[in-house]
Amino acid sequence: DAKTTQPNSMESNEEEPVHLPCNHSTISGTDYIHWYRQLPSQGPEYVIHGLTSNVNNRMASLAIAEDRKSSTLILHRATLRDAAVYYCILRYNDYKLSFGAGTTVTVRA
Amino acid sequence: DSGVTQTPKHLITATGQRVTLRCSPRSGDLSVYWYQQSLDQGLQFLIHYYNGEERAKGNILERFSAQQFPDLHSELNLSSLELGDSALYFCASSTYGLSNTGELFFGEGSRLTVL
Repeated sequence: DAKTTQPNSMESNEEEPVHLPCNHSTISGTDYIHWYRQLPSQGPEYVIHGLTSNVNNRMASLAIAEDRKSSTLILHRATLRDAAVYYCILRYNDYKLSFGAGTTVTVRA
Repeated sequence: DSGVTQTPKHLITATGQRVTLRCSPRSGDLSVYWYQQSLDQGLQFLIHYYNGEERAKGNILERFSAQQFPDLHSELNLSSLELGDSALYFCASSTYGLSNTGELFFGEGSRLTVL
């Protein structure tokens, strides 16, 4: 299975951008890069995904390196509600997502 | 609200017992996935069903079994429970094969405590 590496934790101030890095040096050409987040006491929530091009949605932006060996999730203006564990995941088939330890994001008011 | 419903939300039982966790996927979703989240193991994929058929198995113990019914709801059966089975069990659903988003919609989970 292709693996991802994320920092254990990151801190941010409210209304500032947050850049969450993810390394996936063994990614294959067909792997999609997915991001999910899990707020306390809730199930994981889809954030964004991409294959090769950068992606934007209402929640975040995903910047993918040209060689696809790394990516960065960007939360443009962090709010207290964005405090969560963020998971970077490679979807290597249609059957499942393999979650790692993720990055715990703390947002300071 | 993801549209995925899991019951019960909390369950306390004793070692050696058997429990059934239930999941109703989002309307129209044909795929159901089960995940286990414990403090020391993180989120672990257990099993995937698509339109009533088992499609993939992950780290699911032989004491655990699941099925998906014709109305697409799914049940996860856990038997001969051990203390280590205490965890959050999540169900997720997706519209497998209809798009390439791969987005999974997770329920709020069933918290199982084995005493």
